[in-house]
Amino acid sequence: GAGVSQSPRYKVAKRGQDVALRCDPISGHVSLFWYQQALGQGPEFLTYFQNEAQLDKSGLPSDRFFAERPEGSVSTLKIQRTQQEDSAVYLCASSLGPSRLGYTFGSGTRLTVV
Amino acid sequence: AQSVSQHNHHVILSEAASLELGCNYSYGGTVNLFWYVQYPGQHLQLLLKYFSGDPLVKGIKGFEAEFIKSKFSFNLRKPSVQWSDTAEYFCAVMPQSTDKLIFGTGTRLQVFP
Repeated sequence: GAGVSQSPRYKVAKRGQDVALRCDPISGHVSLFWYQQALGQGPEFLTYFQNEAQLDKSGLPSDRFFAERPEGSVSTLKIQRTQQEDSAVYLCASSLGPSRLGYTFGSGTRLTVV
Repeated sequence: AQSVSQHNHHVILSEAASLELGCNYSYGGTVNLFWYVQYPGQHLQLLLKYFSGDPLVKGIKGFEAEFIKSKFSFNLRKPSVQWSDTAEYFCAVMPQSTDKLIFGTGTRLQVFP
C-alpha cells in the first residue's frame, strides 16, 4: 500500500480485557517497529522485526505485551489483561532498508483502557 | 542511559517570525539524528535527518538543522514560519549500533497569522 496502515484507529477496552492491534507495513518493507506514545510524551520503542524475526523486544513493558509477524509482512501487537497504564497511542513504522534512512510511521491506534 | 531533551515544550510565534527548537542528546558514540513533525490529526513525518557529512542539514518546507557534536545538539531552525507550520516537532536519535529511535518529548509549535 501507499503507507503504513494500522487498525483499529481507536480502541476502548475494559480493564482486564485482551486487545490485538494490527499493522500493515508498506509492501516490501523488511523492517517493522512498534512504539508506544503516552499522552504528552514522545514515542518509546517497544519491539522490532526484520522480516519475521523479532530482533529486539527490549522495550516491551511487561510479559502482557506480545508481538508477532509470522509471515514477514503484517504484524500484530497483543496486550493481555489490559491495565489503565496501557492507555496510549501505539505506533507502527516500517523501513525498506537501513533504519538510519528513517522510518515511515502509521497513524497509530489510540488505546483507552477504562 | 541514552536520552533526548527538548527544552521548549510549547512555542508560540507570529507568522514570519524565526524559529529555533532546541534538541540535546546524551550518548557517547556515533549517532544518526532526526527531526519528525506531526501535524494535527496526522502521522509522524520525517522533516530531515543527519548521519554523516555536512553538519548543516536542509529538510523539507524550508527547515534546517545543525549538528554540533561538541554540544551534543541538533537544533531545528526556520527563518520565517507560516501558519501551516503549526504542529508538534520531535527530535530523535538513533545510535549507530541499533535500529531504535529514541525520541524527545516533543515541542508543540503554534503559529498565529
